[in-house]
Amino acid sequence: EVQLVQSGAEVKKPGESLKISCKGSGYSFTSYWIGWVRQMPGKGLEWMGIIYPGDSDTRYSPSFQGQVTISADKSISTAYLQWSSLKASDTAMYYCARMRYDSITLDYWGQGTLVTVSS
Amino acid sequence: QSALTQPASVSGSPGQSITISCTGTSSDVGSYNLVSWYQQHPGKAPKLMIYEVSKRPSGVSNRFSGSKSGNTASLTISGLQAEDEADYYCCSYAGSSTFNVVFGGGTKLTVL
Repeated sequence: EVQLVQSGAEVKKPGESLKISCKGSGYSFTSYWIGWVRQMPGKGLEWMGIIYPGDSDTRYSPSFQGQVTISADKSISTAYLQWSSLKASDTAMYYCARMRYDSITLDYWGQGTLVTVSS
Repeated sequence: QSALTQPASVSGSPGQSITISCTGTSSDVGSYNLVSWYQQHPGKAPKLMIYEVSKRPSGVSNRFSGSKSGNTASLTISGLQAEDEADYYCCSYAGSSTFNVVFGGGTKLTVL
């Protein structure tokens, strides 16, 4: 069974750094891209970027380029999303999902990680 | 990259059919048959319902169907059921310069 399990909720202060994780199981982690999607409170889905764990090829949405860093450690089947300096506007639910590159389809999703940034 | 345009809300009675539109441009929906649809219940992660415009993943009811004409994609749900009440998002590939992918703003489906 394909599963993506994300790390737990985080509460941080503005200016702090953060790295959240997404661990894949039940499939070949290095053969599929992993995508990250943001959902701000009460809002819609936003595409952030993708990574291919096989070789760490990473693509960012222009809206998120320079704002976050996507990485992966294929040895432990885990992808990451990190911030160096959080802002209040980063408060959101963040989802990882497995992406089928041939169809640009997010076919399996993690449960989401809620990030709250507040002073 | 602008979000795809969806109606904010649609509604229907049990057993009826509804259609949700998703309007993009010639740079995204109009150029690629790479439109997908996701269902999201409150407090839950999105779920893939349709991919490549009209294909259904295994396990998704055949009451869900997708289509596309020009720059507009559509999701049709027939035989509405109470469990279909959720938010629905369309998504389209938008080119490879920076691997652009864009979501629609989402549509709240209410089953009356």
